[in-house]
Amino acid sequence: EAQVTQNPRYLITVTGKKLTVTCSQNMNHEYMSWYRQDPGLGLRQIYYSMNVEVTDKGDVPEGYKVSRKEKRNFPLILESPSPNQTSLYFCASSFDSNSPLHFGNGTRLTVT
Amino acid sequence: AQTVTQSQPEMSVQEAETVTLSCTYDTSESDYYLFWYKQPPSRQMILVIRQEAYKQQNATENRFSVNFQKAAKSFSLKISDSQLGDAAMYFCAYRSADQAGTALIFGKGTTLSVSS
Repeated sequence: EAQVTQNPRYLITVTGKKLTVTCSQNMNHEYMSWYRQDPGLGLRQIYYSMNVEVTDKGDVPEGYKVSRKEKRNFPLILESPSPNQTSLYFCASSFDSNSPLHFGNGTRLTVT
Repeated sequence: AQTVTQSQPEMSVQEAETVTLSCTYDTSESDYYLFWYKQPPSRQMILVIRQEAYKQQNATENRFSVNFQKAAKSFSLKISDSQLGDAAMYFCAYRSADQAGTALIFGKGTTLSVSS
């Protein structure tokens, strides 16, 4: 089944404790991206990648890192999480930057 | 910069009735894509319908159709014969076709409730 898989689905952590949210897609998509969803703000792009070893900042990149060492994986790294990073995070992928995005099931992150 | 506006934070409809969700956008580009995504309580993001700006014909997917007015920069979603399973938050989104790698820009969403 074609899908984007994010893990974990729920994560509670404390300020400053490094964490990684994994994302993997099995559709051989070139384009991958991360969004955060906050009430009243919709979804905003954090980072995106157009291919292996190519990543770029989105609209809200501060406090996040990503890597794209393999085509299928695009992890989101929070080196020192803070409470304002409490949010619902989505990974998404598409065949190219003009195709519809396929979303993962989301990761609910709480930073206390 | 492009913006997407959904002016209806909440809408309600009765089963079997028709409802229209509004979306307007602002752009100076001529080539772009517009989307409607559905987010049910499971929080999964599901693509409902897609419209290419250079196509004048309105997109249709079963009970879902759009009214795309390019000059007015309007992209409304019509849901016909509403079902309980249509209850969700709906997001309108814009994506540039001119600039590679650009983000999908979302509106703030409309919560649709369906009553029996």
